Amino acid sequence: EAQVTQNPRYLITVTGKKLTVTCSQNMNHEYMSWYRQDPGLGLRQIYYSMNVEVTDKGDVPEGYKVSRKEKRNFPLILESPSPNQTSLYFCASSSRGWTPNEKLFFGSGTQLSVL
Amino acid sequence: AQSVTQLDSQVPVFEEAPVELRCNYSSSVSVYLFWYVQYPNQGLQLLLKYLSGSTLVKGINGFEAEFNKSQTSFHLRKPSVHISDTAEYFCAVRRYNNNDMRFGAGTRLTVKP
Repeated sequence: EAQVTQNPRYLITVTGKKLTVTCSQNMNHEYMSWYRQDPGLGLRQIYYSMNVEVTDKGDVPEGYKVSRKEKRNFPLILESPSPNQTSLYFCASSSRGWTPNEKLFFGSGTQLSVL
Repeated sequence: AQSVTQLDSQVPVFEEAPVELRCNYSSSVSVYLFWYVQYPNQGLQLLLKYLSGSTLVKGINGFEAEFNKSQTSFHLRKPSVHISDTAEYFCAVRRYNNNDMRFGAGTRLTVKP
């Protein structure tokens, strides 16, 4: 089954403790992206990647890192999480990010709480 | 940069009634327009999209949207809603040949029996 898998589904952590949210897709997609969803703000793009070893900043990259060493994986890293990073995070992928006929496939989300 | 405004944060409606979810956008260049739906505890799914051509776009689950360039709007409609349509709906816009997809704040549609 074609899917985007995020882990963990829920995560509670404390300020300053490094964490990684994993994202993996099994569709051989070149394009992957991370969003955060906050009430009243919709989805905001954090980082995206057009292909292996190619990453770019989205709207709200501060406090986040990403890497794209393999095509299927696109982990989101919070080196020193802060409470304002408490949010619902979504990973998404598509076969070509710039082609309008492609659609984004979304993961089920990771609810992160930073205390 | 482009931006999206969804005019209603919540829309309650009774089953079998018609519904319209409003979306306005702004951009200095041509854009593609999308509607996504998010069911509880799930990721987003594409409902429909406007790329070019006919301004009336039909999507899944009986939804349709109309692109109005002069009013910079892309409102989503359904003539008769079901309980199962209860979800959050996001309007999104993306510039041509650009990965920068901007989402609106979302509209929570609640269908009551």
